[in-house]
Amino acid sequence: EAAVTQSPRSKVAVTGGKVTLSCHQTNNHDYMYWYRQDTGHGLRLIHYSYVADSTEKGDIPDGYKASRPSQENFSLILELASLSQTAVYFCASSQLFSQNTLYFGAGTRLSVL
Amino acid sequence: GQQVQQSPASLVLQEGENAELQCNFSSTATQLQWFYQSPGGSLVSLLSNPSGTKHTGRLTSTTVTKERRSSLHISSSQTTDSGTYLCAIDRSQGGRALIFGTGTTVSVSP
Repeated sequence: EAAVTQSPRSKVAVTGGKVTLSCHQTNNHDYMYWYRQDTGHGLRLIHYSYVADSTEKGDIPDGYKASRPSQENFSLILELASLSQTAVYFCASSQLFSQNTLYFGAGTRLSVL
Repeated sequence: GQQVQQSPASLVLQEGENAELQCNFSSTATQLQWFYQSPGGSLVSLLSNPSGTKHTGRLTSTTVTKERRSSLHISSSQTTDSGTYLCAIDRSQGGRALIFGTGTTVSVSP
């Protein structure tokens, strides 16, 4: 069974602080993604990566950085957290040359105060 | 940019009733997937159906690619079907990431 693990599961951060969300997959998948979910907007792509040491911007990358130090790990970094970044964040992985089925982590609920 | 629109936004069913969820997208898609999000928030892929008709359990998806629409039919609904159903297509700008619609929230009462 494919497994994507996110940490922490929830976090409260202060405005202007640094936040790092972590994602670990044991699927041996090439692709990893970070999405955020807000009410009324569905899931929106922030960053993605198809190989270690390389990341790509998604549709809403402003205010976020990503890091993929290995095939298994993908982090999302908020250098200066803002109120507007309060959301639920999902990490996902998928395999190249497959039907691109995404396997999601359980999500991280981030509240910026 | 690409858009995915789903309808209805919400649906209330009595257990045993059938439901039809719609997904319309703005540009040709080579990938189309349906996902289920539980009330607790977890997301799982239900099926991938870029064209034609596919079945899995009580779910049937029909995608007409040239008309840029897909439907998900739930037959004989059960309370455990309650949750949000999301449609997603692949991005055209490169990468294999998916663009999601805002979902249809289904509530099935006993």
